[in-house]
Formats: sequence, C-alpha cells, structure tokens
Amino acid sequence: EPEVTQTPSHQVTQMGQEVILRCVPISNHLYFYWYRQILGQKVEFLVSFYNNEISEKSEIFDDQFSVERPDGSNFTLKIRSTKLEDSAMYFCASSEANRVDTGELFFGEGSRLTVL
Amino acid sequence: ILNVEQSPQSLHVQEGDSTNFTCSFPSSNFYALHWYRWETAKSPEALFVMTLNGDEKKKGRISATLNTKEGYSYLYIKGSQPEDSATYLCASNSNSGYALNFGKGTSLLVTP
Repeated sequence: EPEVTQTPSHQVTQMGQEVILRCVPISNHLYFYWYRQILGQKVEFLVSFYNNEISEKSEIFDDQFSVERPDGSNFTLKIRSTKLEDSAMYFCASSEANRVDTGELFFGEGSRLTVL
Repeated sequence: ILNVEQSPQSLHVQEGDSTNFTCSFPSSNFYALHWYRWETAKSPEALFVMTLNGDEKKKGRISATLNTKEGYSYLYIKGSQPEDSATYLCASNSNSGYALNFGKGTSLLVTP
C-alpha cells in the first residue's frame, strides 16, 4: 500500500542551525502539506503546496521556513535558523483530491525535531 | 466556537464496551470534518471525511455523525477491542482553504 515516508525520524540540532526535513509523498498525489505538533499541544497546520507553489500558509510559517519540491518526488521543509520553540514533531501529508472537503490526508510517521 | 474541541481527553474502557467521543467545531463557513486514528509511533490514518449536515458514515465497528448547523460530530465505536486503542483526532476546515484545524484528540485505551 502506498505511503508517505519521512526522513529523518529524529533530528537533534543546536539553536540557530539550519534543518531540512524530507518527505516522499504518495506518487500520484498532487497536494502536499506540512503540519507540526509541539508536545502536549494540537496538531497545527504550517503550509500547503500545489503545482510547485505554496497555496496556503499559517502564521507559524514565517520567513524562517521554506518548502520546495526539487525533483518531482521529494518534498522538503527547511527551517533556516532553528529556535528552541521549533522543537516539535513535523508531519508531512499528501492528498489526491484538490480540496479538503473531499480528500483525506495521508500522513507520514513524522520527524521529531529537538532544538537544544 | 472558534476552535475544534474534543471530549473526553482520555477514555479507558473494557473490551466489548461501546464508546463515543465528541468533536465540536466552528459551524460558520463549514466545509469539511475529518476523523483520524493515530496509533503510537505510527502515522495518523483517515477514518472519515464528512461534509453534509446529517451525514453518517460507517467503517466496520466505527461510525460517525455530523451536525453542521450546531457544529458537532460524534464518533462511535461498537464493541471496543484492544486494537482500537489509539488517539482519535478530529479536524475541520471552516473556509475554502486547505488548512485543517485539529482538536487535541481523545486518547482511548481498551483493556482485555
């Protein structure tokens, strides 16, 4: 069964360092997302991506964050200069349908980022 | 209601018990309500996507209902089994955008 895969599963970094989280969405899906969950809090939307551009982003997704799909398969989230409060589980998701009112999201298992 | 709220926060039932959880969501500009099942160390897995008021969906022993006018959804599990133990997440989309607004989840533990 097709699945969304994420790497690394866990990354520890020093504050101020750049981090890249990688995702391989399901191959025939067209819509890609990043969500995150800070320990003990709700899952929060970061960004959605379609047709090689950002379609929507949240207030969390500031200039320190960027996404790209460099090679048609990988979908990456870059945090330019990590802060302590960026420590969270980051989930990549993809969907086939073009609207969340028709399409379920398929999530990866997450990348746990710990910023020291 | 501005946020998605779920209750109870956690639930412990015996194998064979039936149970239900509640999700409250903003009813204005409602588009969709999603339920996900999230087992520890795995990825959240979609159970239902619901859009129509009065809609009821079923998958095996799990079913869900939707009231978009008052902004709530119920998830029912009939005859709970230990493998049903997981966190059940509810999320809504209240505009024409892409972002899902999640609740904190209901953590279910089913013991034999």
